[in-house]
Amino acid sequence: DIQMTQSPSTLSASVGDRVTITCRASQDISSWLAWYQQKPGKAPELLIYKTSSLESGVPSRFSGSGSGTEFTLTISSLQPDDFATYYCQQYKSYVITFGQGTRLEIK
Amino acid sequence: QVQLVESGGGVVQPGRSLRLFCAASGFNFSDYAIHWVRQRPGQGLEWVAVISKDGSDKFYEDPVKGRFTVSRDNSRDRLYLQMHNVRAADTAVYYCARDRHYDDNGSSFLDSWGQGALVSVSS
Repeated sequence: DIQMTQSPSTLSASVGDRVTITCRASQDISSWLAWYQQKPGKAPELLIYKTSSLESGVPSRFSGSGSGTEFTLTISSLQPDDFATYYCQQYKSYVITFGQGTRLEIK
Repeated sequence: QVQLVESGGGVVQPGRSLRLFCAASGFNFSDYAIHWVRQRPGQGLEWVAVISKDGSDKFYEDPVKGRFTVSRDNSRDRLYLQMHNVRAADTAVYYCARDRHYDDNGSSFLDSWGQGALVSVSS
């Protein structure tokens, strides 16, 4: 199975900051990568699919990039609602896998 | 609107069985593959299984192969996860989630999720 590794595991930042989360795949997954946001006690929500396509309703401060084995999620200017845990997910085959998550906390 | 609602969770003893349900509404259920994803307490997301639109294809993660069975009833817009011989490591919130573009090439991303059902394996 394809392993996904996110970094950092925890990120401390302030409102207004620009932050980047990295996700690395153990093999080439082309552009088959999605990002999710999860808040405590809630289900994950889709942010981005196919590396850089923004899901409907997601603010434009979220963006994604990359290809092959290295991908990034960038939040251009953090808002209070953005403090949450973020997961990447690959979908190169029928078996999907998630990264271990990046917790974004308030500095 | 698209809605997925899990039920059937609870406390179950090790080695016993439990059946989870996922009721779908707001979309044409038979047009979408559906996944089960779980999250152990304080941990990350772990994919469990997927079932194709018509139920003919099923895939499982290794830790649940031979113990869990995913099935669906498209006439009732329902998804099931039958769990046998449960273990402490199966303690988790179980989510059902809709796959937007599952096809002959594989799974895709999950665009709608239920609120989750908590399964606690304990003697």
